[in-house]
Amino acid sequence: DTAVSQTPKYLVTQMGNDKSIKCEQNLGHDTMYWYKQDSKKFLKIMFSYNNKELIINETVPNRFSPKSPDKAHLNLHINSLELGDSAVYFCASSQDSRVFTPQHFGDGTRLSIL
Amino acid sequence: SQQGEEDPQALSIQEGENATMNCSYKTSINNLQWYRQNSGRGLVHLILIRSNEREKHSGRLRVTLDTSKKSSSLLITASRAADTASYFCATDLYNQGGKLIFGQGTELSVKP
Repeated sequence: DTAVSQTPKYLVTQMGNDKSIKCEQNLGHDTMYWYKQDSKKFLKIMFSYNNKELIINETVPNRFSPKSPDKAHLNLHINSLELGDSAVYFCASSQDSRVFTPQHFGDGTRLSIL
Repeated sequence: SQQGEEDPQALSIQEGENATMNCSYKTSINNLQWYRQNSGRGLVHLILIRSNEREKHSGRLRVTLDTSKKSSSLLITASRAADTASYFCATDLYNQGGKLIFGQGTELSVKP
């Protein structure tokens, strides 16, 4: 059973399009995250939700909008895609947002902008 | 700027040898975590060391933490080809709601 699952695994699209990435976790965790990993493997947090409430919102263009319909799901919608958005996007979850809780990652969505 | 920096960026060893990776960070932390990433996969949590701990073991993994030097090391003993992966340190900062700051990673290659 996959603990944190993301769809799609690959996403190839044209500049200017709007796309969504979905994430679901079946671990019963309260907190979910979105990370962006660039071509040099540098991983940076974008957003975090705790029980459907936004708690971390890094300096991310407002073309990126996360949505959490319930605590098991955190989706990421991206408007007007740009070349620089090409990256691997990882969803993760943790038991809660307190310290000492490791994060569990999905296998990523590889987004390529043509 | 990045909180964590790792050294070396790449490491190539033979099976059976030990592999040591280092991580340095800049600000005070609650804890430091190490993760592994196999090619094309997500990160997998390996070990967490709290700021008041100096050393922790898990199987063939040994992690040390020196808060005075703001550094940590990950030692993998008796490496195997299956240990080939990228290894990342991540710092959990005070009052940041679980936000992890990742280092740039060390790419480990273990040759059979």
